[in-house]
Amino acid sequence: DIVMTQSPDSLAVSLGERATINCRSSQSILSSSSNKNVLVWYQQKPGQPPKLLIYWASTRESGVPDRFSGSGSGSDFTLTISSLQAEDVAVYYCQQYYSFPYTFGQGTKLEIK
Amino acid sequence: QVQLQQWGAGLLKPSETLSLTCAVYSGSFSGYYWSWIRQPPGKGLEWIGEISHRGTTNYNPSLESRVTISVDTSKSQMSLKLSSVTAADTAVYYCARVPLGRRGNDHWGQGTLVTVSS
Repeated sequence: DIVMTQSPDSLAVSLGERATINCRSSQSILSSSSNKNVLVWYQQKPGQPPKLLIYWASTRESGVPDRFSGSGSGSDFTLTISSLQAEDVAVYYCQQYYSFPYTFGQGTKLEIK
Repeated sequence: QVQLQQWGAGLLKPSETLSLTCAVYSGSFSGYYWSWIRQPPGKGLEWIGEISHRGTTNYNPSLESRVTISVDTSKSQMSLKLSSVTAADTAVYYCARVPLGRRGNDHWGQGTLVTVSS
């Protein structure tokens, strides 16, 4: 199985400041057939299902605010929130779609400082 | 707007079979994969498996011997069965839609808490 490791486990950022969450895969998840990094990011708020934010490592899902961005390639990826808003408090997960089983990172809890 | 509505028994005894159904409303059932994901209370997400509208399945090897995912395209529904449950299977179970292109799960069911307890 591909192991997905997120860092940090928790993060406290001031409103309006930048938040950065990292995700590392145990092997490259760059698909040779599509030339895309098959990495997605989700946001999960308490009592809700996850919400898709980013797919193919850097493509923002429709309706997601542009303060959310994804970057990286191969095995190292980053989710950045450029200016933290109160509604961004949540747990964030990465997930790889390179090979079965489609594994998730352990999650990063984002709070307001 | 696509909606996924799921239901099933919420309390099971050890060794029983978990059975959940997920119905898709206001959207096409064909042309997508449909997945099941679970989340133990206070913990992270675990991918259980997926099925295409044509019935092609892929399972998590850690659960494969106990899992069956099926689809009824006439009803735009899919189902999850997990046999011989134990307390370790206690979790919120989600169904979700997977667009082609391995773009993640873009629509999710509301989740069903399944508790396994004697």
